[in-house]
Amino acid sequence: DGGITQSPKYLFRKEGQNVTLSCEQNLNHDAMYWYRQDPGQGLRLIYYSQIVNDFQKGDIAEGYSVSREKKESFPLTVTSAQKNPTAFYLCASSMVLGSSNQPQHFGDGTRLSIL
Amino acid sequence: GEDVEQSLFLSVREGDSSVINCTYTDSSSTYLYWYKQEPGAGLQLLTYIFSNMDMKQDQRLTVLLNKKDKHLSLRIADTQTGDSAIYFCAEDQAGTALIFGKGTTLSVSS
Repeated sequence: DGGITQSPKYLFRKEGQNVTLSCEQNLNHDAMYWYRQDPGQGLRLIYYSQIVNDFQKGDIAEGYSVSREKKESFPLTVTSAQKNPTAFYLCASSMVLGSSNQPQHFGDGTRLSIL
Repeated sequence: GEDVEQSLFLSVREGDSSVINCTYTDSSSTYLYWYKQEPGAGLQLLTYIFSNMDMKQDQRLTVLLNKKDKHLSLRIADTQTGDSAIYFCAEDQAGTALIFGKGTTLSVSS
């Protein structure tokens, strides 16, 4: 089945530790995105990438880093500089046609908590 | 910047129609979207409408778009308990990422 796979489903981080969240898609989508969701909030954009080896900061990129070495993969690292990392993290992907991004499809999310 | 607004809660009885409303601010958005999120899950794309359309119907779902007022609505006919979830309205931003509202929690009682 085609889809977006996020792993792990639950992740715990110690103070001062970097952790990496995985996102893989087999939909042959060009663009990939990372969002953060806090309780009672909408989704806020962390980073996005429209092509391999290129990515742009979103609204809340501080304390996060990404890479896009392969079309299928867009891992997100939550660094120790992110002081409030506890949240639900959602990865999405979409096709790009011309200058327009097509509807985004989402993975099932990773819930990150601080020990 | 752009801001998408939705009411936070809606409560309906099973079998009634539900109408979830949304206002957006970016008149250049190409598409407007409705997503559904069940507890602990990711977002499921329910439906979307191209900005040059007024209405789109898909089985029990009807989307209405009023571009003049920047108002989007989602109507769910014959609402079922399985429709209980959080519904997010979203607009695209210059063809890149999406701007989401805070979500409307729909509660369906039997």
